[in-house]
Amino acid sequence: SQQGEEDPQALSIQEGENATMNCSYKTSINNLQWYRQNSGRGLVHLILIRSNEREKHSGRLRVTLDTSKKSSSLLITASRAADTASYFCATDSADSWGKFQFGAGTQVVVTP
Amino acid sequence: NAGVTQTPKFQVLKTGQSMTLQCAQDMNHEYMSWYRQDPGMGLRLIHYSVGAGITDQGEVPNGYNVSRSTTEDFPLRLLSAAPSQTSVYFCASSYPTLVDTQYFGPGTRLTVL
Repeated sequence: SQQGEEDPQALSIQEGENATMNCSYKTSINNLQWYRQNSGRGLVHLILIRSNEREKHSGRLRVTLDTSKKSSSLLITASRAADTASYFCATDSADSWGKFQFGAGTQVVVTP
Repeated sequence: NAGVTQTPKFQVLKTGQSMTLQCAQDMNHEYMSWYRQDPGMGLRLIHYSVGAGITDQGEVPNGYNVSRSTTEDFPLRLLSAAPSQTSVYFCASSYPTLVDTQYFGPGTRLTVL
């Protein structure tokens, strides 16, 4: 069973626009990670946010975590064509430390 | 550093055959994991290891065996391949702990006929 579910499933935007995607999960978490996967490649770690944190930034990426709503969002500002990829959230929970469950991902297409 | 490497990149098996997917990392990471990725689904954890000689089951361990004799290597064995095991397999290592950044290999695309 999937713990995290991303929304939307697909997102198409133009270069320069912001892209926002959400991740909802069912049970209390310890950690939430966001990953990017370019077509046919392995996953690349973007940001880790722990359950006691509310917001983190990394370059053009901003991640928020709302544990009361059991949700997280990933914002990519000023999108570039190179941001075209699938984005996944992954969570581990109190009773399964380190056993990350991934959502099905959001496919983002950024057109020039 | 080569990071996490996986071999082979592609493999076709017949039902009932066995094989080993290789995974190696040169970053001296204690923690390593195997995932499978099926179309339209997220990655699912098969097995993981918190150090040499220590392995544990993930979400979908049936039909797979692992061992961890060295820090560097974490092979995944398919005992008797089934069409349901057709998937893309990813190996990852984590640093500094299992819940921190995971570094993924490029994947092995396996087809079982």
